Amino acid sequence: AQKVTQAQTEISVVEKEDVTLDCVYETRDTTYYLFWYKQPPSGELVFLIRRNSFDEQNEISGRYSWNFQKSTSSFNFTITASQVVDSAVYFCALTEDSNYQLIWGAGTKLIIKP
Amino acid sequence: NAGVTQTPKFQVLKTGQSMTLQCAQDMNHEYMSWYRQDPGMGLRLIHYSVGAGITDQGEVPNGYNVSRSTTEDFPLRLLSAAPSQTSVYFCASRYTGTVNTEAFFGQGTRLTVV
Repeated sequence: AQKVTQAQTEISVVEKEDVTLDCVYETRDTTYYLFWYKQPPSGELVFLIRRNSFDEQNEISGRYSWNFQKSTSSFNFTITASQVVDSAVYFCALTEDSNYQLIWGAGTKLIIKP
Repeated sequence: NAGVTQTPKFQVLKTGQSMTLQCAQDMNHEYMSWYRQDPGMGLRLIHYSVGAGITDQGEVPNGYNVSRSTTEDFPLRLLSAAPSQTSVYFCASRYTGTVNTEAFFGQGTRLTVV
């Protein structure tokens, strides 16, 4: 069965610190896709990244980076030099090629203190 | 581009009342879905549709009906509102062709049942 675990319920750091949000997934498919979404206090869901199971290259976008490791079934998200505007709930999600459903983690609430 | 348009943004219902949450997308996506998000929790799938005329139940379908008469529209009906249905509702659509893409979300509907 497919599952996404975000073990960190809440993380609080001081601005400019680096922070890593963990995501561990379970799937039996060999073809699958992983996603990260951001939900700021305003409530909308903002897409951040998609990664397919055949692309294990790490991704960097400005202060954001993602580390995909199939060996540990993890897709972790790091924010470098965090800013107050990064405060949000972050969700990791999984979909399998054989199934259209998105399986969501419970989310990690990130608090960046000034 | 409008993307996914969801209305209303806020709604207060009395127990036993019915209402319809509207969702429309202009991206010609076949797959559409409705989620509910309760405080401190992730997204739970209510109903989904893989194309016009095809709908199916998700994780928490009880008390909700859907229909999909066109590719663009996917309304969610609350038949007889209950306080347990107080939640934030999100509509989403995805392209599900040769590649599984990210989900595009509406702005959300904050529903309170009193």
